[in-house]
Amino acid sequence: GAGVSQSPSNKVTEKGKDVELRCDPISGHTALYWYRQSLGQGLEFLIYFQGNSAPDKSGLPSDRFSAERTGGSVSTLTIQRTQQEDSAVYLCASSPTSGRAGTGELFFGEGSRLTVL
Amino acid sequence: QKEVEQDPGPLSVPEGAIVSLNCTYSNSAFQYCMWYRQYSRKGPELLMYTYSSGNKEDGRFTAQVDKSSKYISLFIRDSQPSDSATYLCAMTFTGGGNKLTFGTGTQLKVEL
Repeated sequence: GAGVSQSPSNKVTEKGKDVELRCDPISGHTALYWYRQSLGQGLEFLIYFQGNSAPDKSGLPSDRFSAERTGGSVSTLTIQRTQQEDSAVYLCASSPTSGRAGTGELFFGEGSRLTVL
Repeated sequence: QKEVEQDPGPLSVPEGAIVSLNCTYSNSAFQYCMWYRQYSRKGPELLMYTYSSGNKEDGRFTAQVDKSSKYISLFIRDSQPSDSATYLCAMTFTGGGNKLTFGTGTQLKVEL
């Protein structure tokens, strides 16, 4: 498709289980971001990948969170030993290098809604 | 104090009204500000961006930046029911790389 694709769209899991969330960015976009959106909290930055550079992991809330980006394209966000406070919508966005990346022209997917029981 | 503050609303206005949405920020190293619109259960989409003080217009939308007050605004003229959504301000700051810092979003409802 033409847009950012995320899967699964909904995930319900039990506390303590691991989850993987996947993001397929727009073809040709070299920058990829993960954000978390909780009710009333706005979008919280998690991690940023740019080409082959080391990712900016400064927003990851704990060492239970990790992310990979393989081949400069698909990204997976992994949450280990999930907690109830991890319940949120996890949004992925991509951005072109030659575009207005510095101006924040991020193209978002529809998100993965995670519920931890 | 959050770096970018935004009144969450909800804000309800009649169709045709002028809507004013606002954010304040605390970091003086302002680079760019953006306004994103997010419909329910969708990802945010970019509406406008600006990097200088003053106004920038795009159709019914005007983005305004006041660096001296650290205040940014989005005005919507002739509001329509289809404008009902959550509006998020987002900013980049010098030294923050390409990381966008978002406000919490203001929920807007335009009523017939």
